[in-house]
Amino acid sequence: GAVVSQHPSRVICKSGTSVKIECRSLDFQATTMFWYRQFPKQSLMLMATSNEGSKATYEQGVEKDKFLINHASLTLSTLTVTSAHPEDSSFYICSAKETYRNTGELFFGEGSRLTVL
Amino acid sequence: GENVEQHPSTLSVQEGDSAVIKCTYSDSASNYFPWYKQELGKRPQLIIDIRSNVGEKKDQRIAVTLNKTAKHFSLHITETQPEDSAVYFCAARGGSARQLTFGSGTQLTVLP
Repeated sequence: GAVVSQHPSRVICKSGTSVKIECRSLDFQATTMFWYRQFPKQSLMLMATSNEGSKATYEQGVEKDKFLINHASLTLSTLTVTSAHPEDSSFYICSAKETYRNTGELFFGEGSRLTVL
Repeated sequence: GENVEQHPSTLSVQEGDSAVIKCTYSDSASNYFPWYKQELGKRPQLIIDIRSNVGEKKDQRIAVTLNKTAKHFSLHITETQPEDSAVYFCAARGGSARQLTFGSGTQLTVLP
């Protein structure tokens, strides 16, 4: 089946630094990927839709200059948390939709737990 | 946009009993309704999905029902086992939307 790999799985950084999280579709092409944020015991909140070759679409209330998304190829999207602060600590998960199969199914990455000190 | 509500937030059942989780959605154009299982600290895994042209779908111990008129859909797990313990999320995707809107999740605990 389709596999989405997310890296790193855990990252600890100092306040003020930037962190990049990668999301790769390993065996399929994904024109569209999604980035979510999940707080403990809460649901997945969509942050933005990543579009290959064009700008990401951000959800209301998500700062696009804070959460930079780049989708430079059909298999890779990156989320960069810029000037991270402790309140950015969270579980970030990506998902991808297979471009050439219209099943509707989303495949999720393993998630990245960010801790900002 | 779409709004998905999920109940209950927590559910405890005895091993072997059935569990039912219910969701309602707001967008009558929604046409795809997946259910995900998420274990602690892990990625959500699709367990079953249903489309708006079908009223019920079953896969072994798991079934999903959809009532388009009432705009609600339910997950049914029969003969529950301890390994079914996890958080379950419903979701809906409507019309021209590409993204899924998730419910708030249900923490299912199956007691041995």
